[in-house]
Amino acid sequence: DVKVTQSSRYLVKRTGEKVFLECVQDMDHENMFWYRQDPGLGLRLIYFSYDVKMKEKGDIPEGYSVSREKKERFSLILESASTNQTSMYLCASSFTGTGAYEQYFGPGTRLTVT
Amino acid sequence: GQSLEQPSEVTAVEGAIVQINCTYQTSGFYGLSWYQQHDGGAPTFLSYNGLDGLEETGRFSSFLSRSDSYGYLLLQELQMKDSASYFCAVRDGAGGYNKLIFGAGTRLAVHP
Repeated sequence: DVKVTQSSRYLVKRTGEKVFLECVQDMDHENMFWYRQDPGLGLRLIYFSYDVKMKEKGDIPEGYSVSREKKERFSLILESASTNQTSMYLCASSFTGTGAYEQYFGPGTRLTVT
Repeated sequence: GQSLEQPSEVTAVEGAIVQINCTYQTSGFYGLSWYQQHDGGAPTFLSYNGLDGLEETGRFSSFLSRSDSYGYLLLQELQMKDSASYFCAVRDGAGGYNKLIFGAGTRLAVHP
């Protein structure tokens, strides 16, 4: 059974803290993605990675950075958390090429920044 | 720019048929996908159309017309468990990447 796991389901942090969200997939997928989901706005892409140590900005990268040191692991970093980063964060992975239409999602991390 | 439009909410009764439309505007097009997300859950893949026409998977079907930049998800014999949000997504292959662009989602409420 394919699986994408995220390090936390719920996280509460204070403004200005550095926050790490971890994502691990066991499907040997080339592509990994970080989205944030807010009511009425759908899934907005923050960053994605198509290979180890490779990363590309998505639609809303400001205030975030990422790291992919191993193929199975993709980390999202909030350098200095702010209240407007309170959201649901979803990690996903997919194969490349013709398999890219199907992404597998983790359970999500609901982050609250106070 | 790239955008997808779908209705924000749809309501239907058990046993009925509902159609969720999606129109898209993208610089490159490599297919239309549909995802389902229950409250508190993760999005899960439902179907994919790479070519024009209808794809059927059990009670769910998906249609694509590339000339009209339009697709829909058809849900038949609705059940209470179909109450969820449904997202259309376009595969954007521009630049050789393999990312998806998601619509804002349609919340389907199924009533007895």
